[in-house]
Amino acid sequence: ETGVTQSPTHLIKTRGQQVTLRCSSQSGHNTVSWYQQALGQGPQFIFQYYREEENGRGNFPPRFSGLQFPNYSSELNVNALELDDSALYLCASSRQLGLAGNGELFFGEGSRLTVL
Amino acid sequence: AQSVTQLGSHVSVSEGALVLLRCNYSSSVPPYLFWYVQYPNQGLQLLLKYTSAATLVKGINGFEAEFKKSETSFHLTKPSAHMSDAAEYFCAVPRVTGNQFYFGTGTSLTVIP
Repeated sequence: ETGVTQSPTHLIKTRGQQVTLRCSSQSGHNTVSWYQQALGQGPQFIFQYYREEENGRGNFPPRFSGLQFPNYSSELNVNALELDDSALYLCASSRQLGLAGNGELFFGEGSRLTVL
Repeated sequence: AQSVTQLGSHVSVSEGALVLLRCNYSSSVPPYLFWYVQYPNQGLQLLLKYTSAATLVKGINGFEAEFKKSETSFHLTKPSAHMSDAAEYFCAVPRVTGNQFYFGTGTSLTVIP
């Protein structure tokens, strides 16, 4: 069983640039969630995708956007990067039935973004 | 809104000593609570979850947690710390729907040989 994989693992961008992060979900999982983890903080929910539709969003501005593909993989896009966007971005997949969940997320190792 | 509070951002214990990591939840939280662990340079991994079936929940690696409604707590314990337990631990509570979570700020556990 293949776990959650994320790419790239590390990247450096400058303010104002755009970034795309990618995530492949675990086999059999139809839901992908993205979290931002700033240094020394807990993960903060950005949004979730279920069946290629956004299914919940946290308190993040519209310049944070995403996609889910038919194979359940996902992308996180961030436009107009700011210094405060520097963080570890975690992708998590899960098996979801409608609006309910089974309560367990499977996380990738994250993409560490540094904005200069 | 639902939330969890983790008391103590850093905890140090000696190898073989009791581990106690504290988590309190807001009273409006639905009866599901979770502990996740993050080892260095890794993603998070589920340790255990409370879903109202039993107040004492056993998880992986010898960890357990007890749900205490009267104290609005869900503290994580392990009788005897091992060096491999050194990690960041997060308490979490579901948002409104489907596998979306609020995480606490985390507690970093150091195990001293």
